[in-house]
Amino acid sequence: EIVLTQSIPSLTVSAGERVTISCKSNQNLLWSGNQRYCLVWHQWKPGQTPTPLITWTSDRYSGVPDRFIGSGSVTDFTLTISSVQAEDVAVYFCQQHLHIPLTFGAGTKLELK
Amino acid sequence: QVQLKESGPGLVAPSQSLSITCTVSGFSLTSYGVHWVRQPPGKGLEWLGVIWAGGSTNYNSALMSRLSISKDNSKSQVFLKMNSLQTDDTAMYYCARYDFDYWGQGTTLTVSS
Repeated sequence: EIVLTQSIPSLTVSAGERVTISCKSNQNLLWSGNQRYCLVWHQWKPGQTPTPLITWTSDRYSGVPDRFIGSGSVTDFTLTISSVQAEDVAVYFCQQHLHIPLTFGAGTKLELK
Repeated sequence: QVQLKESGPGLVAPSQSLSITCTVSGFSLTSYGVHWVRQPPGKGLEWLGVIWAGGSTNYNSALMSRLSISKDNSKSQVFLKMNSLQTDDTAMYYCARYDFDYWGQGTTLTVSS
């Protein structure tokens, strides 16, 4: 089973700050079919259901603001929010779809000062 | 619009079985797969399994012997059945569409005598 580790359970930042959220895999997430990494970032706002933000490590879903940037390779992946807004308060979790069972990171809770 | 809604028994005694229904609208089960995911209190998300549009299934091997996922395309319903329930099966159970782009609000299951 692929284990995804989000080592920082919570972050508190000020609006406008840049924040990075890490996700580490215990296996290479490269899919040979397209030479891309099978890593998705989701956003889970309070009182709502999760929403995917980024797929294939760095592709934003339609409608996702460009302040959300996904990057990384092999086993180390990062979600960067270039300038945090009040509406970004949420839990961010990563998910791999390379192998079954699909697995999720434990999540990083983003709060504002 | 796309919606998923879970319904379940709420409370089940240990060693008993459960059945949770996910009723979908706004899309066809013949076109999209549906995942089942759970979140125990205070813990991360655990993928349980998926039923694909064509009807085939994949399960989390850790739970496979106790799980069954089926569907009724005509009723737009997906069913999760789990037997031999234990207290650590207590969780919020969610269904989610193929790409995790839409989730249900979840249904709480408590396993207790």
